[in-house]
Amino acid sequence: GESVGLHLPTLSVQEGDNSIINCAYSNSASDYFIWYKQESGKGPQFIIDIRSNMDKRQGQRVTVLLNKTVKHLSLQIAATQPGDSAVYFCAENRESGGYNKLIFGAGTRLAVHP
Amino acid sequence: GAVVSQHPSWVICKSGTSVKIECRSLDFQATTMFWYRQFPKQSLMLMATSNEGSKATYEQGVEKDKFLINHASLTLSTLTVTSAHPEDSSFYICSARGIIVNQPQHFGDGTRLSIL
Repeated sequence: GESVGLHLPTLSVQEGDNSIINCAYSNSASDYFIWYKQESGKGPQFIIDIRSNMDKRQGQRVTVLLNKTVKHLSLQIAATQPGDSAVYFCAENRESGGYNKLIFGAGTRLAVHP
Repeated sequence: GAVVSQHPSWVICKSGTSVKIECRSLDFQATTMFWYRQFPKQSLMLMATSNEGSKATYEQGVEKDKFLINHASLTLSTLTVTSAHPEDSSFYICSARGIIVNQPQHFGDGTRLSIL
């Protein structure tokens, strides 16, 4: 099915380091992007979003960067903590048949080691 | 933040049984609700989009007679897996969104369905 692609399926980092999770999207007309965190056995949890009229947005310890020229999205997590260990998905809002829907990337597993 | 409740969290049943999963938005009016399916170590695949008071829109390859969706109110959508078989075993997740399109979908915690 449709998907937004990711460069790294698994990322291992040391506690306290910064993490960068990357994502490529295919539809240049997409105007809204979201990063979600999914812990084992749970539903995705909203982290941060960005609209296409922006190239950077910051939250608490997280930053999302959007490069529309190369259709690339990244999530930066500062001072990564063990509680950040999860699977991270980027999602692209796409209009299809008059409906807006999210297309999810394949996901990146972030493993934080003490 | 917005809360979406999904029930049950897990269900085990015999082949041929129909199973209903509920998705409720607890603190906002969900104009649109979405149903996803997720296999182990895979991403979320959208099954259908449901707007309150109208018929659901199913993604290509999803059988609408197999997966019945009802969105009768602004706070409740249900997914019924009819005559479930082992291949229907999966993690089903719902999400809800308010009236503004470019805002996050808020997800329930999923339902683990196991068909014996």
